[in-house]
Amino acid sequence: DVKVTQSSRYLVKRTGEKVFLECVQDMDHENMFWYRQDPGLGLRLIYFSYDVKMKEKGDIPEGYSVSREKKERFSLILESASTNQTSMYLCASSLPQGAYEQYFGPGTRLTVT
Amino acid sequence: GEDVEQSLFLSVREGDSSVINCTYTDSSSTYLYWYKQEPGAGLQLLTYIFSNMDMKQDQRLTVLLNKKDKHLSLRIADTQTGDSAIYFCAESGGSYIPTFGRGTSLIVHP
Repeated sequence: DVKVTQSSRYLVKRTGEKVFLECVQDMDHENMFWYRQDPGLGLRLIYFSYDVKMKEKGDIPEGYSVSREKKERFSLILESASTNQTSMYLCASSLPQGAYEQYFGPGTRLTVT
Repeated sequence: GEDVEQSLFLSVREGDSSVINCTYTDSSSTYLYWYKQEPGAGLQLLTYIFSNMDMKQDQRLTVLLNKKDKHLSLRIADTQTGDSAIYFCAESGGSYIPTFGRGTSLIVHP
């Protein structure tokens, strides 16, 4: 059974803190993605990676960075958390061929106070 | 850029059929997807359809694609309370980065 796991289901951080969200997939997928989900706005792509050490900006990369040192792990970093980064963060992975279907983790609900 | 539109809410009675509609603008769409998100969970792929097909059926789910009108629909037969969730339409225009709609909240009441 395919699996994408995220390090935390719920996280509460203070404004200005550095925050790490981690995602691990066991499907040997080349592609990994970070989205944020807000009510009424759907999913917005923050960053994606198509290979180890490779990363590309998505639609809303400001205030975020990513790291992919190993194929199975993709980390999202909030350098200095702000209240407008309170959101649900979803990680996904996919193959670079075929139907490109994405497999999602359970999400991390981050609250920045 | 590409856009995917879907209505935000749909309310149905248990046992009825649900039809969730989606329109998209990318004429080069190759795959079109339906994902389901249950409360507090991530998205789960329900089904997808290749752009050269016009229908796909999988148990209670029927996907219809009208490529000329760029319209995709998901029909759920005999809707149950367990089908209550957010349903996302998505399309990929030949790349591995899909464009998602904002999601339709399906509410099933007794």
